[in-house]
Amino acid sequence: QQPVQSPQAVILREGEDAVINCSSSKALYSVHWYRQKHGEAPVFLMILLKGGEQKGHDKISASFNEKKQQSSLYLTASQLSYSGTYFCGTEARVSGNTPLVFGKGTRLSVIA
Amino acid sequence: EAGVAQSPRYKIIEKRQSVAFWCNPISGHATLYWYQQILGQGPKLLIQFQNNGVVDDSQLPKDRFSAERLKGVDSTLKIQPAKLEDSAVYLCASSSTQETQYFGPGTRLLVL
Repeated sequence: QQPVQSPQAVILREGEDAVINCSSSKALYSVHWYRQKHGEAPVFLMILLKGGEQKGHDKISASFNEKKQQSSLYLTASQLSYSGTYFCGTEARVSGNTPLVFGKGTRLSVIA
Repeated sequence: EAGVAQSPRYKIIEKRQSVAFWCNPISGHATLYWYQQILGQGPKLLIQFQNNGVVDDSQLPKDRFSAERLKGVDSTLKIQPAKLEDSAVYLCASSSTQETQYFGPGTRLLVL
């Protein structure tokens, strides 16, 4: 089942913060976050595993609430380079191999 | 370290024609994935290989799509015959574990 991302799109000025949410109706084992710029391949940002952890590097961080089956991606003090479409990919891992299912994406535009 | 390579980058064909895409994963990556990404959507898994064996092909339209990874390295994805709704970007990704997937630049297919 495809995770639901919100918002669908957001426009920020440089230096502003944003939160992108990803929620699933299924119990999750992991959540993967990717950023894709127009015409390019998705680029891996981070993975969060079951256990309710929080991760981050530079000014991009994420949290995973397994009880709520939700993950949030936090972008602070946004830069022009943050523009792109952000996808979450969720893995249920009920048994054996379970593939990643990606959301429809959140389009982020950072303007000067 | 070289990334995932794909060719061709672009392909335009008429409906009912056949087309093939090639992928060379990151050296040493045992797992290879083919995704279909329709404009405005997240990537959708078509098939997953572990070495030269198929792990998941549940979403591959087997009446027209086929894929192989004969020697456990390179892979080809074929569509025969193509339909208008096959117009999309076909992404190849590879991983050394079930965790981080690294995507190639994709092949943009337009079916007229």
